[in-house]
Amino acid sequence: DAGVIQSPRHEVTEMGQEVTLRCKPISGHDYLFWYRQTMMRGLELLIYFNNNVPIDDSGMPEDRFSAKMPNASFSTLKIQPSEPRDSAVYFCASSLVPSETQYFGPGTRLLVL
Amino acid sequence: SQKIEQNSEALNIQEGKTATLTCNYTNYSPAYLQWYRQDPGRGPVFLLLIRENEKEKRKERLKVTFDTTLKQSLFHITASQPADSATYLCALEHNNNDMRFGAGTRLTVKP
Repeated sequence: DAGVIQSPRHEVTEMGQEVTLRCKPISGHDYLFWYRQTMMRGLELLIYFNNNVPIDDSGMPEDRFSAKMPNASFSTLKIQPSEPRDSAVYFCASSLVPSETQYFGPGTRLLVL
Repeated sequence: SQKIEQNSEALNIQEGKTATLTCNYTNYSPAYLQWYRQDPGRGPVFLLLIRENEKEKRKERLKVTFDTTLKQSLFHITASQPADSATYLCALEHNNNDMRFGAGTRLTVKP
């Protein structure tokens, strides 16, 4: 398996624009997690899914953020409208069991100007 | 409030020495605790998992301890090498559903 795949790897956009981040989890993994990492706040859990259903979105910072998982092999994290403070590295991870080993993707480095 | 604290942002040691990283937590009761390694520009990579009923776990040059009374985990790298230089994150099981991560300790092993 190729591991968790994320795209794009880098994204530069202007404030107010919509940003969509994409993730393909490892095949067979029922759990998918979205994290945001910054120097100030470290690695923060934004939302996670079990069998394509959002379970806990309490980490989503505000209504500008939304996440979907239309099928077992694809998830998106959308920011609309984007703001400079959203600049961070966004990671997607998947696992067989929620609290066991998580496999992280390479991340998307987002810069909002 | 819940906190996960990892000792010092950065730790510098000499090659061949043992590196010891600390993870302290408050207001968590994790059934598991994990350690991950993160290299610059990459996602975290799983290293070890230790359960609440295990005192110690080893994997090659790595050793992890878990003291639920002290609410602390120690992560040791023996005979450290420059290739061990990375950021190490501890992660706690949270409500049997997900993991919460510490901020990490950046380890530099000097030749």
